[in-house]
Parts: sequence; structure tokens; C-alpha cells
Amino acid sequence: AQSVTQLDSQVPVFEEAPVELRCNYSSSVSVYLFWYVQYPNQGLQLLLKYLSGSTLVKGINGFEAEFNKSQTSFHLRKPSVHISDTAEYFCAVSVLRGGSEKLVFGKGTKLTVNP
Amino acid sequence: NAGVTQTPKFQVLKTGQSMTLQCAQDMNHEYMSWYRQDPGMGLRLIHYSVGAGITDQGEVPNGYNVSRSTTEDFPLRLLLAAPSQTSVYFCASSQGVTGELFFGEGSRLTVL
Repeated sequence: AQSVTQLDSQVPVFEEAPVELRCNYSSSVSVYLFWYVQYPNQGLQLLLKYLSGSTLVKGINGFEAEFNKSQTSFHLRKPSVHISDTAEYFCAVSVLRGGSEKLVFGKGTKLTVNP
Repeated sequence: NAGVTQTPKFQVLKTGQSMTLQCAQDMNHEYMSWYRQDPGMGLRLIHYSVGAGITDQGEVPNGYNVSRSTTEDFPLRLLLAAPSQTSVYFCASSQGVTGELFFGEGSRLTVL
């Protein structure tokens, strides 16, 4: 079973519009959740993470995400996007299996911000 | 301030050849992992390690081998290269599975 599902493979938006990138996770995994961003021709970098505590998590570059246990979701939001936010965004979850934890990524969502 | 260093950055192999992708980190991280990135497939975990001497399989381990003799190094070996292994490979490390993953710059491998 897929541990993490990103529902949209591509999201086009206009500059200064709000955006939401959706992520759902399997309820059988540990609830350590992450969003990473990959700019063109670069490696990935951490945007934000949820380990415990407040369900609203704020990250870098004005992004935030809300952990919703009942809906098993961890959607990423930004109220007003910039051209420079054009990148691929990956949701990731930690999975406990066989006595050790590992980090598993979704398939990614390509965000394109148009002028 | 090197972080995670991967070599080589580019490699072309013929089917059946073998090679090793090197990965080294200088942050004293216990957790290290290898991912492959393919269009539309996201990052898929190949192998990972929670410390020296300990390795485990990820989602797509077939055709790959790893070892972790030191905390710093985590090489990935392709045993008999196949065209299906054409991909971009990323090595990553973190203090633990809940910590921030630091990625290398990636290694682009083409198998002809």
C-alpha cells in the first residue's frame, strides 16, 4: 500500500494567487510528516516538518502545512506565490517497518507559477 | 562545509557493467539513504542505514548493493547494470529519521 499520496502531479497558478498542494498518508505509518522542495537541477531541501504538537506548521519561504489526523492529510499552503516558488514539491512520511524507520516520498507535485 | 558529497556526477555504463556510486557525509549523521528519482515516480528509496554496520532494503532494492563500514561513507553498488537503472541517484543523510535530510547534488546514470 502507498504510504504517501500526492493527489496532483502538476499545479499551475498565477503569481500572487494562493496555492494548496495536497498530501495524504497511510494511517498505518508513524505520523512524522515532511515537505521538501526541489528547484530545477538541484537536490531537495526541507520546507517544514511535523513531529508532534501544534497541527499548523510554518516553514521557510512563507509556506505552512496543517496536519489533519482524521483525514490523514498534510496539505501544503501558501497565501500568495511568487515566480520563484516554481519547483517540485515532495511530501514524505516516516515508515516503521521491521523494527527500523525509513523516510518514504510521494511522487511529487510540480508547481508552476505564471506571471 | 561539504555536507553530503556524491561522486561521480555523471556516468554512462553499458548493460552488464558494474559500478559504485560514492557517498560521504561530514556531519556525523547516523541515518543515510539512497534514492532514485525518475520522472513521474518521485523519489524511491533503494537502501538505507541507521548506523555503521546496519543496512536495510527500501522500496526498490533489486540490482543494488550497499555497505556501511563507517559512519561517513555509504556507497551504492550496481551489480549488473540494466537500462532500467538509468536514473538520477541521490544520497541523503540525517541525524535520525525525524531530522532534516541533507541531500547530495545527485548522480545522473545512463545505462545503454
